[in-house]
Amino acid sequence: DQQVKQNSPSLSVQEGRISILNCDYTNSMFDYFLWYKKYPAEGPTFLISISSIKDKNEDGRFTVFLNKSAKHLSLHIVPSQPGDSAVYFCAAPGETSGSRLTFGEGTQLTVNP
Amino acid sequence: NAGVMQNPRHLVRRRGQEARLRCSPMKGHSHVYWYRQLPEEGLKFMVYLQKENIIDESGMPKERFSAEFPKEGPSILRIQQVVRGDSAAYFCASSLSKGGFNIQYFGAGTRLSVL
Repeated sequence: DQQVKQNSPSLSVQEGRISILNCDYTNSMFDYFLWYKKYPAEGPTFLISISSIKDKNEDGRFTVFLNKSAKHLSLHIVPSQPGDSAVYFCAAPGETSGSRLTFGEGTQLTVNP
Repeated sequence: NAGVMQNPRHLVRRRGQEARLRCSPMKGHSHVYWYRQLPEEGLKFMVYLQKENIIDESGMPKERFSAEFPKEGPSILRIQQVVRGDSAAYFCASSLSKGGFNIQYFGAGTRLSVL
């Protein structure tokens, strides 16, 4: 039972344009959500978070939007840069423990120069 | 200002051998988590430990896998009698506190290859 889903395995955008990465979830009780970025042969790096009581959180070029009624969140990167090319994971606290994270399958973002 | 340190980065084992993966959390962090990433899949939770205690091992296979986080020294994930299906990237993460906004910081991972 996949509680956090990223339905797009890959996304390709041109440098300078907006990248939008999507994530759906099933558990309306999640307290917060996290986005991680992962380069090949490295571990995931924390990018940005959002509390379930907010609908938007912005940090520089990165903005995360939360639509609780649709159980959907999205990460916007603008403007996109070639260095943003990586796999992006959304994550939420596990249902049975407040501490483990449940990850989506990831979306490979490629930003073309 | 070291982050989460994992070693070895790469580990090759033959079927039936044992694999030991080590993880030193970030300074000041007392919560350690292990995750596994199989090829073409996302990260799956395995086990959550605090010093000398296993808090949640619900994601860890019941057979051949064990984890510890002793009072002194790194956390160890141990896989006995490895099989080809154990080939994966194993990531360790640590955090400062349980619950609330629990941001976990990850190591670079250990890539286990079973021949």
